[in-house]
This record gives sequence, structure tokens and C-alpha cells, in this order.
Amino acid sequence: QSALTQPASVSGSPGQSITISCTGTSSDVGGYNYVSWYQQHPGKAPKLMIYEVTNRPSGVPDRFSGSKSGNTASLTISGLQAEDEADYYCSSYTSSSTPLYVFGTGTKVTVL
Amino acid sequence: EVQLVESGGGLVQPGGSLRLSCAASAFTFSSYEMNWVRQAPGKGLEWASYISSSGSTKYYADSVEGRFTISRDNAKNSLYLQMKSLRAEDTAVYYCARDLKVGGTPWGQGTMVTVSS
Repeated sequence: QSALTQPASVSGSPGQSITISCTGTSSDVGGYNYVSWYQQHPGKAPKLMIYEVTNRPSGVPDRFSGSKSGNTASLTISGLQAEDEADYYCSSYTSSSTPLYVFGTGTKVTVL
Repeated sequence: EVQLVESGGGLVQPGGSLRLSCAASAFTFSSYEMNWVRQAPGKGLEWASYISSSGSTKYYADSVEGRFTISRDNAKNSLYLQMKSLRAEDTAVYYCARDLKVGGTPWGQGTMVTVSS
């Protein structure tokens, strides 16, 4: 089972909205509502931004939202801010025991 | 505050062994499934291993199957990863994470494993 497919990079100006896609299969993204999104700044541990497709943990700004359609999940950042510049990874539970979880290839978000 | 603290990383020669630990605090460790996730330098995240809350069920990525062993001690609120026959491609930061179905938050700071001669 391969990694989930994400665009290598996405960019936007402050205040704009951007969307990052995460494409899998019916055995992972399409089959379960266990899709999470992580933000990672250089040298730091991943930070959970979205879980179970659409849920935001406490403390995560509501500028971050998640959705899913078929085998593709998406993370939208509205009102882009400088501090949003980071790497973003999606992940999904899978129908297999190996891998049990699969991560996306990662997307570098650049704030212009 | 819920916390996971990984330790045990370091420099090891190819073919060597290392044991990673993850100390959990401020939550009922024995109620949670746990995982190890790794990240090679400059690369993405890779799930490595899973253990059920009781320790009775364990899963491994193909890349570590037969070489790595996950275990836990619920009395000590600790998770472990015994790594043997280490290869250069095992070089990574290793994170422990609870219940990845709901994102596993929070993640620890990770522990770096470097396999090199």
C-alpha cells in the first residue's frame, strides 16, 4: 500500500485561502472517516490540525477545516497567515494490518 | 497535561540493536492503543508499529517486520521499541503516538536514531 498522494507544494498570499488534497483508495481514505491532518514546522514534532476528517482539536484556529469526497480528503486554510507556512501531512487508517496507518507524501505550504 | 517523552535514540552501527522507550503521563495509558511513527531526515512520516491497549495485538510495517518488536508495560506507563539488525534506512526520528485513529495528539519530541559506521 503506497503513501497517500499530496501536492508537493501549495502557495498563497496572506489572507487568501488554499486547499491541500490527499488522495488514497477505497481501502483507506475512501473507506473510513479516520483521516487526520498534521502541521510540521522545521525541526518540530507534527501537530494535529484535523482529525476524523472534519474535527478540530481544541486550540486549532477555525481557519483550518477538513472535508472528504470519495477517496480524496482536503485541508483548507482560510485567511492564510505567515505562521501557517509549514509542511502538512494527511494520514488515514487502512483496511490492512500492514500498514495499519498510511501517511501522505507531504505538502510544503509557502506564504508569499 | 498529556505528555509523551521518547528516549533511547543514538548512533549505532549497521547490524546493531537499540531499544527506544516512550514515557507517558497525565492520561490512562493502559486504555490507549499506541504506535511508533518514524521520519527519515528530509522525508515524510512513516507508520512503523502498533500495539493494542492490552499488548495482545501487534502490527508492523513491512519495512521493519521481523527486526523490530513493540511492547508496553502498563504498570510503568511505558511503550518500547526493540530494534535489531538495524540498517542505514532505519535512520530517522522516532515518535510514539497514541490512538492514531483520532490523530494521536499530542506527539512527543521524538528520539533520533542514526545507523552509520
